[in-house]
Amino acid sequence: KAGVTQTPRYLIKTRGQQVTLSCSPISGHRSVSWYQQTPGQGLQFLFEYFSETQRNKGNFPGRFSGRQFSNSRSEMNVSTLELGDSALYLCASSPDSSQNSPLHFGNGTRLTVT
Amino acid sequence: DAKTTQPNSMESNEEEPVHLPCNHSTISGTDYIHWYRQLPSQGPEYVIHGLTSNVNNRMASLAIAEDRKSSTLILHRATLRDAAVYYCTPRRAGANNLFFGTGTRLTVIP
Repeated sequence: KAGVTQTPRYLIKTRGQQVTLSCSPISGHRSVSWYQQTPGQGLQFLFEYFSETQRNKGNFPGRFSGRQFSNSRSEMNVSTLELGDSALYLCASSPDSSQNSPLHFGNGTRLTVT
Repeated sequence: DAKTTQPNSMESNEEEPVHLPCNHSTISGTDYIHWYRQLPSQGPEYVIHGLTSNVNNRMASLAIAEDRKSSTLILHRATLRDAAVYYCTPRRAGANNLFFGTGTRLTVIP
């Protein structure tokens, strides 16, 4: 079974631009969640989508948004990029919300904002 | 949200057991305890989870204190491939929003 795939692997953007990151979950997984990882703040939850609906949202500004398609693939968008948005963005999928279902993470998209 | 506390770093000699502690004194009665590890340049990888009883799988063992305020991840024989940052995190019912602390960076010495 293929793992979680995130594209692109690396991205360089300029302050003020917007960016879209993509995540393909493991086949059959309906939940996709997004995390931001920075050296200063560590791993922080952004939002989760389940069957195309946003179910949970972390404490991030409205510039961060996402969506999920009917095939469970997900995208996250960051508008009006700031230098502080430079981070590793990780996507994780899970078949459901059961506490017995682990999250499967991709290897992330490294975003650099200059 | 339940907070977790872990030592920033630990060292182990190769092929020796490693005990990685986690304090989660504010965990709720229904939260599961999940452990993940993150190898360099990779996303976190699931290791093990449990609720009350001790758990074993092919990667590790998890010992959960009777009062559930702490747990210990046990790697029975550390290898160089086990060098990673290890995170413990409470897992709420019906939610996939995990809260990660700073984790423990494990260094394995050959």
